[in-house]
Order: sequence, then structure tokens, then C-alpha cells
Amino acid sequence: AQSVTQLGSHVSVSEGALVLLRCNYSSSVPPYLFWYVQYPNQGLQLLLKYTTGATLVKGINGFEAEFKKSETSFHLTKPSAHMSDAAEYFCAVSERGSQGNLIFGKGTKLSVKP
Amino acid sequence: SAVISQKPSRDICQRGTSLTIQCQVDSQVTMMFWYRQQPGQSLTLIATANQGSEATYESGFVIDKFPISRPNLTFSTLTVSNMSPEDSSIYLCSVEGGGGQETQYFGPGTRLLVL
Repeated sequence: AQSVTQLGSHVSVSEGALVLLRCNYSSSVPPYLFWYVQYPNQGLQLLLKYTTGATLVKGINGFEAEFKKSETSFHLTKPSAHMSDAAEYFCAVSERGSQGNLIFGKGTKLSVKP
Repeated sequence: SAVISQKPSRDICQRGTSLTIQCQVDSQVTMMFWYRQQPGQSLTLIATANQGSEATYESGFVIDKFPISRPNLTFSTLTVSNMSPEDSSIYLCSVEGGGGQETQYFGPGTRLLVL
């Protein structure tokens, strides 16, 4: 069965510092991997996704993530945090052909200090 | 990506009553999904709704409690029946983006508080 583990329910960084949000997954077949962001009182917005091809994927707002099969990881990074990045971030996995069986991690709340 | 709207955006309801949440998409989609996000928690899939067929419910969710309609390719409703305070959650609909890559796009959510 698929699962997603996000290490750290709360991460705090200073403005301008590196953002690193960790995600590990388990899947019996090659997965599709996603990062979503949820700003306060809003729905989920797709940040980026990995399906096939290049393992380093770039998303919106300067975020990127690297699919590492050997480590079963899909960590999200951003070189320099901005105050507007404060939100909750969810990692999710699905299997090809699963017809929408999207499994979410518990989420990581990112705080950005001035 | 699809543009998805939900009504109502939030509501406060009394226990024992029912609330119907609407989800409208700006394009025709085959698969629509309903999720629940309980306070401080991640998202849990309630059911998958395909047009012209009965919804498929995940373990722990039943049709009597969460009846779903899918009358056409751009619209769906989720009803939360006989509500209790434990039903206080954010309810989100999503659609599958197509292309076989399992990407889902989410609506803004309906914030429900049951007193």
C-alpha cells in the first residue's frame, strides 16, 4: 500500500534562508509525486509534480523538488524563503493507473520569520 | 488546469441537520473527488464521483451519511447528513486533470462548523 511520510509537522526558517521540507513515500510501482500548498483559509494549490523524465522538477514560486528513487524521497526546497511562503505544504503520491487514489502526507506548516 | 468553485464557502449548522455542498468546474471532467480535511489534519478521500454512475466510497465513508450526485460532467454535490460536531471539517472537491498523470486540482473548500 502507498504511504507518505512528511518529517516535521512544523518548520520555521528566517526570511532569505533555505527552505527544506522532507517527504518520503512508499509505493510498489513507480509513483507520481506531488507537492501542494495550502495558504490560510484557502484550498490546495499544486506546486509541482513528478511523473516521468527529469528527476528535478521546478514548480511555482521558486520551489523545486528532486525525485530520488534510491531514497524513496521527494523533498521540497527553495533557496531563499519569503514571508509569503508561510503556509502548509502537503506531499502526495499516487500510482499510475490508480484512477485518483491520491495519498497525502500529514502536512508541514512552514513559518517564515522576518 | 481547471477552475473549480464551491458553494457555500463556509457554514455553521446545527447538529442533526444536513448540508449540501456544490462543486462547479469550468470544463468537462470525467472524475471528480470529494475530500475531508479535519481540523489540523491532512486530507482524506471520501469518494470518487464519475458522471452517470454511483459514487465509489472509501473505507469509513458510507452513502447514507455522504450522498453524492454527479448529474453532468461539470457539476457535483456532496451532502453531509444528520450532522454532528465531529463533521466539522473543510470539505474539498477536486478534479483529475487528464493526460493520464493523475494530477488533481482542488476547489477552495467549504468550511463547515457543526454546533
